[in-house]
Amino acid sequence: AQSVTQLDSQVPVFEEAPVELRCNYSSSVSVYLFWYVQYPNQGLQLLLKYLSGSTLVKGINGFEAEFNKSQTSFHLRKPSVHISDTAEYFCAVSDLAFGNQGGKLIFGQGTELSVKP
Amino acid sequence: DSGVTQTPKHLITATGQRVTLRCSPRSGDLSVYWYQQSLDQGLQFLIQYYNGEERAKGNILERFSAQQFPDLHSELNLSSLELGDSALYFCASSVGASGSRYNEQFFGPGTRLTVL
Repeated sequence: AQSVTQLDSQVPVFEEAPVELRCNYSSSVSVYLFWYVQYPNQGLQLLLKYLSGSTLVKGINGFEAEFNKSQTSFHLRKPSVHISDTAEYFCAVSDLAFGNQGGKLIFGQGTELSVKP
Repeated sequence: DSGVTQTPKHLITATGQRVTLRCSPRSGDLSVYWYQQSLDQGLQFLIQYYNGEERAKGNILERFSAQQFPDLHSELNLSSLELGDSALYFCASSVGASGSRYNEQFFGPGTRLTVL
């Protein structure tokens, strides 16, 4: 079975500082990986995804993530955060790579990013 | 706005009651997924429908059921409600059932259920 671990439940950071949100997954086969963002009182929005190819993927709002197969990690980074980046961030894995089950998402517990002025 | 709509936005009810949550997928999407977000369990996949047929099942309780109608909207029915069922219920939709091809899931704003 697959699982996702987000190593930090809360990350406080000052505006314009860099940030890294850590995500590790477990799976014995290839996976698809995602980062979603949830702003207060809103649904989930896809930030970026890794399906195949280049291990460095760029997403919306200046975020990027690097897939590291040997370390089974998919950490999210942004070189300079804004107040508006304050939100909860979820790492997720899909079993789509197994060619079955319709692509349900398995989520980590979430990381609350709090950007302070 | 993802194009996925969910009603109602908030629902407050008592233990033992039954409620129905509704989801309308994006135009053209055939797949609907239901997820539950609670403080205890985090975000969990419940069930998926594709073009009216159940496609995949997650940790969905026997007290919960879902269906997808010919117009592709979906309803999640929760019965014999318990305090622990209080959560945010999300619906997502995608173009296809996936198989071996990736289809992005677009999430609705959720229905917040409070069981008193």
